Amino acid sequence: LAKTTQPISMDSYEGQEVNITCSHNNIATNDYITWYQQFPSQGPRFIIQGYKTKVTNEVASLFIPADRKSSTLSLPRVSLSDTAVYYCLLDTGRRALTFGSGTRLQVQP
Amino acid sequence: DAGVIQSPRHEVTEMGQEVTLRCKPISGHDYLFWYRQTMMRGLELLIYFNNNVPIDDSGMPEDRFSAKMPNASFSTLKIQPSEPRDSAVYFCASSLARGVEGDTQYFGPGTRLTVL
Repeated sequence: LAKTTQPISMDSYEGQEVNITCSHNNIATNDYITWYQQFPSQGPRFIIQGYKTKVTNEVASLFIPADRKSSTLSLPRVSLSDTAVYYCLLDTGRRALTFGSGTRLQVQP
Repeated sequence: DAGVIQSPRHEVTEMGQEVTLRCKPISGHDYLFWYRQTMMRGLELLIYFNNNVPIDDSGMPEDRFSAKMPNASFSTLKIQPSEPRDSAVYFCASSLARGVEGDTQYFGPGTRLTVL
């Protein structure tokens, strides 16, 4: 199964831009790159999904290089409320999503 | 829509008792998923349904676990008999068929199960 690798944790300060990089060397042609966010005591929440190049929505941007072997989630001007676990997943179209251990982002004042 | 609804939000029971977790997916969603989350194992997919039919139950730990979806608006996950190692947060999620939103899954608030 295609697998993703991302840092276990990251620290940042309010107002800074945070970039979380995910590696997926074995990504398949039909796979989409998807990011979820999970706050304590809540279920994961979809943030963004992309296939190639750049995708932007009201929450984040997703940068995907041409070889698609990695991707970077960019959170502009983070606030304390962005403290959460961020999961990078490959959407294979098989419906079953495989969540790794995610990246625990801690935003400090 | 109120989103995915799960009940109860918290459940404390004793070993050997039967536990039933309930889920109401978002109206119109074709897929329903049950996940389990623990500190040790993270978030694991247990089973998912498409149009009320179980498609993949390979994540169900053992025969003590069973899931049903009698109609498009209701699903249950049952553990009988429960054991302390079943203590976890159980999430239900639903999604549309692949389309504009792809496979985006919408998660419920979860049920925190404690088996004493």
